[in-house]
Parts: sequence; structure tokens; C-alpha cells
Amino acid sequence: GAVVSQHPSWVICKSGTSVKIECRSLDFQATTMFWYRQFPKQSLMLMATSNEGSKATYEQGVEKDKFLINHASLTLSTLTVTSAHPEDSSFYICSARKTGRGTGELFFGEGSRLTVL
Amino acid sequence: SQELEQSPQSLIVQEGKNLTINCTSSKTLYGLYWYKQKYGEGLIFLMMLQKGGEEKSHEKITAKLDEKKQQSSLHITASQPSHAGIYLCGADRGNGGATNKLIFGTGTLLAVQP
Repeated sequence: GAVVSQHPSWVICKSGTSVKIECRSLDFQATTMFWYRQFPKQSLMLMATSNEGSKATYEQGVEKDKFLINHASLTLSTLTVTSAHPEDSSFYICSARKTGRGTGELFFGEGSRLTVL
Repeated sequence: SQELEQSPQSLIVQEGKNLTINCTSSKTLYGLYWYKQKYGEGLIFLMMLQKGGEEKSHEKITAKLDEKKQQSSLHITASQPSHAGIYLCGADRGNGGATNKLIFGTGTLLAVQP
């Protein structure tokens, strides 16, 4: 079953509104989570690293005031797309590593599809 | 900056046939991940390779990392319609230590005809 869960799976909003996407690690703690975005027919691009208890670190070209990240607890990171515009429409996916017995698995959530009208 | 190239970009095979997808890096790979994605859905973890020459198998899927750690291949034996999807390789951006931040390849779209 899923070990990283995202909510909502899809959301449609009007231009100018803000949208929050949640990423939860199930049954394990994640001090670090990662947010990616994927445009249609393209690969995933890392947006930012979400750090529990401290500020997120953003990749070059990603507006931190546009994409607010809050790592509220060891199992929850949220991505808020502020004042969303149609060009923000994309598939947003988070990831977290489940530490354990050396499996090296880096799990991804189911993704959240954002459509801005 | 590191880049990952996958080939082929898309592939259509008859059910029961074998196939191979390649992932080539411009730099030495520290950690190489293979994922499968259904369009518009999340990524399903398949395998992770770290050591040069490493090979892992799960059911009918085998992944290999070459000795130089710059190329990986994913081989599916006796393909089934359930194998259809987008296959992505991802490389850890670290230069010797894991960062858990991945750079992804361009993806390979696989269709399996019954």
C-alpha cells in the first residue's frame, strides 16, 4: 500500500485563488520531503526541499513566495500555490524516503493535479 | 549539470515479447532509481541500484547498472498489458552522498498490445 499520501488528488480553482496540497508520510517520519512538478508529457522537475522545523530550500527558478512550503510535523508537508494562474496548472508530486533496513526506497505520493481556470 | 537520457522515447510491443529501456547519464550515477507511472498518477517504485555492475530483479523486471555507473537498463521479460505505462529513471543528484533529490530522465512510454 501507499506509504506517501497526497491530498487532494485533483483540484480546480479560479485564477487568483490559493490552493493547498498536503503530503503525508504514512507510518514513518520524514524530516525531509521533496516537491516536484510535472507538466503534460514531460518528466518531473524538483521544485523544493521541505525541511521539518526550518525553511524550505528552493530550486533555481522556483518562486518561494509563489509556492509556499510548510513542514508542519514529521509526517506532513504542505505546498500552497498562492494567487494561482493558469500557467501553474500542473501535476504536483511529493516524495519522502522511508528509512529502514537498507532498501533505499524513495517513495512518491499519488500526485495532485491542479487546474487553474 | 547532470542529465539523464532515456531511450527509446516510446515503445510498442506485442504481449509476450521482451523489451529493454535504457537510461544514460552524463555523470557517474550515485543512486539510480526506476519508477513506473501511469499517466496522471503517482510513481511506483521499481528498483534502486547503487553499485557498479549491480543487477536486481522483481517478478519479470530486471534492472542493471553498468560497471562505470553511467548507464542503466530495464529489461522486461514476456511483457503483459499490465506492464504498460511510463517508465522513468531517476538519479540522485549527490556526488557521492545521497541527497534524495532526483533528476529524472525523459521517460519511456510503453504500450503492450494483447
